[in-house]
Amino acid sequence: DIQMTQSPSSVSASVGDRVTISCRASRAIGSWLAWYQQKPGKAPKLLISTASSLQSGVPSRISGSGSGTHFTLTISSLQPEDFATYYCHQTNSFPFTFGPGTKVHIK
Amino acid sequence: EVQLVQSGAEVQKSGESLKISCRGSGYTFTNYWIGWVRQMPGKGLEWMGILYPGHSDIRYNPSFQGQVTISADESFSTAYLQWRSLRASDTGVYYCARHVMVPGGFSGVDVWGQGTTVTVSS
Repeated sequence: DIQMTQSPSSVSASVGDRVTISCRASRAIGSWLAWYQQKPGKAPKLLISTASSLQSGVPSRISGSGSGTHFTLTISSLQPEDFATYYCHQTNSFPFTFGPGTKVHIK
Repeated sequence: EVQLVQSGAEVQKSGESLKISCRGSGYTFTNYWIGWVRQMPGKGLEWMGILYPGHSDIRYNPSFQGQVTISADESFSTAYLQWRSLRASDTGVYYCARHVMVPGGFSGVDVWGQGTTVTVSS
């Protein structure tokens, strides 16, 4: 199985801050990586697919980059609605696997 | 509107059987892979497996294979997740998840069910 790691596991930030979350795969996955946002008690929401494709309706302050084994999710200017947990998800090979999550909370 | 609507919360005892459901609407059910994701209390997301309705193609995460059965009934546009004998460690929220296939592979899960909470007491 491909193992996914994320760093940091949590980050404390203020509104307006730039936040960067890293995701690493245990072996190369091309661009087959998605990012999701999850708020407490809610289903995850797809933000980014194939490493950098922003989903319709997702604000442009959110972006994704990377390929191979190292990927990044960036929120350029954190807004109140961005406080949540973020997961990366490799869809390169079965079984698909998720990263452990990064919680973004208010400083 | 494209949506996945799951069956309601379940409270069961260890050893009992259970089948939860996920009905798709607003799209052609047989055109998309559909799978299940577990979230144990306070924990992250775990990918359980995926099925292509109408083609009987099922891929399980080895961690869950033999513990659950994923199936679908195309005539009802419904996917199922089934346990023959529940354990306390099966307690969690289970999401059904529509996977998008693009040229070359899968791009992610674009539609999620609202989640079904399963509580298993010993």
